[in-house]
Parts: sequence; structure tokens; C-alpha cells
Amino acid sequence: RKEVEQDPGPFNVPEGATVAFNCTYSNSASQSFFWYRQDCRKEPKLLMSVYSSGNEDGRFTAQLNRASQYISLLIRDSKLSDSATYLCVVTPSNFGNEKLTFGTGTRLTIIP
Amino acid sequence: SAVISQKPSRDICQRGTSLTIQCQVDSQVTMMFWYRQQPGQSLTLIATANQGSEATYESGFVIDKFPISRPNLTFSTLTVSNMSPEDSSIYLCSVEGSGLLYNEQFFGPGTRLTVL
Repeated sequence: RKEVEQDPGPFNVPEGATVAFNCTYSNSASQSFFWYRQDCRKEPKLLMSVYSSGNEDGRFTAQLNRASQYISLLIRDSKLSDSATYLCVVTPSNFGNEKLTFGTGTRLTIIP
Repeated sequence: SAVISQKPSRDICQRGTSLTIQCQVDSQVTMMFWYRQQPGQSLTLIATANQGSEATYESGFVIDKFPISRPNLTFSTLTVSNMSPEDSSIYLCSVEGSGLLYNEQFFGPGTRLTVL
């Protein structure tokens, strides 16, 4: 089993719709969780850290379910500019200097 | 977040040669990392670049193939040695942020390497 698994997609979603995708992780000791966004031929950029209580940043909501070992990302009122690959990232510690483990990414395309 | 630059941005190299990639950060950072992203794949950590000591390599990566330097807290280099077509990839450096969760990482723009 991969350490971090994501549905590769592609998800083709009409503009204005709501889309959600999950990411599962195998290491129950994982402590820190992130969503990164990667545009075509660009470097990954941090989208959100995922906190235990869940967190929201504008149209984006991230949730953590420790019991089932998954994190989710919800995008409301999707924009054309949301088209990208979304990478799920986990790490075993909150204390820094720990290896980030990346999922293979979920490709999202917003359709006009 | 820190501003990170990489040189070269891309290169096409011949089999058997070596390429050194530079990573420059606009502020002092403790942790710097080198990743590889092969076509259609996600990121894989190659090594942690330690200032003043040898880099820490991940399983499957060795110093002879990927020597790393870290002479100070703002600069690092990764060399891809004796290249083969399998080394064609994007190489990215990253630095660790100092936010609430210390292992937030920020990436340079990447170096796109093609080996013929």
C-alpha cells in the first residue's frame, strides 16, 4: 500500500460547482498534513495546512479524519483558475525536519 | 515565504556528463531539501542538505550519484553525475518555513533536465 494515495482523476467540473477529493494515508503516526497545488510545468505551492479541527480559507475547506486516516479538500464556487493538480502531503511529526511524503496528485479541470 | 531561485531553469545534456543545479534563497534557512519529480509522477525526496555537514540521503539515492553542497544558510547545489536518460526529470529545491507548522515547505521553480 502506498504511503499516501489519491485518486489521480481527472476531475472535470463545471465552473461554479463544488468539488471535493480525498487523500488516504497509511501511517497512523502522521501528524502534519498539507494540500499543495501544482500548475502545469510549475513548482508545487502550499495551498493549505490541515489542522485537526479542520480549517477554511475562502472557498477552500480542508478536513482531517484521523480515525479513517484521510484528509479532504473541498472547493466551493470553483473558478477556471482552480484548474491544477492538487497534491496531498503528510509528515510524521509536527516538529520540523521531517520528510514530506507526497501523493501522486489529483488533476482538476474547471470547465467554462 | 522565502524567495527561492534555481539555475539553470532547464538543460539538455548528453549521457555520461554531469550537471550542477544551484538553489539560492533570499533569507537564511535552516533546512533545505532536494526533490525529484519524474514525468507524470509526484515528488520524491532525494536528500536533506545540511549546512556544515554531509547531506542526508533517502533510500535509493547515494552521494556518488547526487553530491550536494551546502556552504551557507542561503545556498545549496545538487549535482547529477554520470547522467543517463533515466535521470530526465524536474529537480526542485525547497526550504522549510517558520510558520505554525514548522514543516511547511516552499519550493523553487525547478530545473527541467533532459538527458539524451
